[in-house]
This record gives sequence, C-alpha cells and structure tokens, in this order.
Amino acid sequence: SQQGEEDPQALSIQEGENATMNCSYKTSINNLQWYRQNSGRGLVHLILIRSNEREKHSGRLRVTLDTSKKSSSLLITASRAADTASYFCATDAREKSSGDKLTFGTGTRLAVRP
Amino acid sequence: DTAVSQTPKYLVTQMGNDKSIKCEQNLGHDTMYWYKQDSKKFLKIMFSYNNKELIINETVPNRFSPKSPDKAHLNLHINSLELGDSAVYFCASSLGPGVSWYFGPGTRLTVT
Repeated sequence: SQQGEEDPQALSIQEGENATMNCSYKTSINNLQWYRQNSGRGLVHLILIRSNEREKHSGRLRVTLDTSKKSSSLLITASRAADTASYFCATDAREKSSGDKLTFGTGTRLAVRP
Repeated sequence: DTAVSQTPKYLVTQMGNDKSIKCEQNLGHDTMYWYKQDSKKFLKIMFSYNNKELIINETVPNRFSPKSPDKAHLNLHINSLELGDSAVYFCASSLGPGVSWYFGPGTRLTVT
C-alpha cells in the first residue's frame, strides 16, 4: 500500500525563493530519504535522515523529521532553475518478514521559473 | 563511472511478446531491486534480491521473472506482455539497511 503522501503535488516558484515540500507516512520507520527525479531520468539520492534525528542539512537542502507526527519536510533554499524536478520522499521500514524496501511518496513536482 | 546501469533505455514492443531488461551495478552492493513507475509517477517495489537470493516479491504477476546470475546483476524477464505493463522500470542497489540507495536510469517500456 502507498506509504507516503506528499504535499503539495506541484509547486511553482521564482528563482531565488525557497521551496518547501512535505511528506507524511503511516508506519514506524528506520530512516527517511529524499530523492530527486529530473524529467525522463532516474532517481538521485539527496539526503537520508534517521529516525533518531530531527534535522539534517546538506548544502542548500534542509530536512526535518517529526516521528511523532510521522512527517518530514524538505526545504530547498535559494532555488535555481536547475532544481526543477520531481522530489520524492521514501521511507525505509525494515520488516523481518519482507526485508529492506523503500516505500515512496507520491512526489512533488517543483518548477523554478528563471 | 556508471554505478547502476540498465539496458535498454527504451523498449517498444507488441502485446504478447516476451522481453528482458538487464541491470548491472559496480558498487559491490549485496542487494538489488526492481521498481515500477507508472504514468502517474508512482513508484512501487516489485522485487528485491540479496546476494542472488529472492527476498521480496510484491505480488507481481508470475509473468515477471527476475533472475540474478551473480550479485552484480539482476535481470527482469517479462512474458506475454500486456498493455498495463507499460511503465518505466528502475533497477536499484543498496549496501544494506540505513544507507542510501542507487538507482539506474530506468527503462521505458511501451507495449502497443
């Protein structure tokens, strides 16, 4: 079943503005990861945050995780046209019976206008 | 250097045909996966293999048969292709729990 829901589904901003995307999930997790997918391309790993972490930074990216609310957010600061892509959250909830798997959210399509 | 590669990148075929997609990773990872991304961009796991052993089979029709000849390769064979099989198929690999995954560039399958 679908694990994560992302919000908004689509976001259009001006270059230089910040972009915030949210992700909610349903079950307990070991970690949560964010991926970027450019149109017609594969998925690129952006950042991983573990269940015992609350915030993580990587360059212009900031990720927060609230396990009590089962939600995460991805903030991209000072956006650039090259940030235009779809962004997916994915939860890693290792289950004894089924092994490791990433369950993806529905994705947010970000368009950054030059 | 490509970490996870897939061939072919595009595959157009008719209903009823049998086709294969190949995946190779040069990262030394033990675990490999197949994901399907539908037209709404929804990504769903199909299979996972750990060191050539099937770990996850997510209620995929048995027309889909993964094969792992060694831990660096995970191929996907699809029999009797149907229109609904049209999607982008992604291969991925990981070192283990709690680390980032690496995805291939995807294979866009179109069944006509």
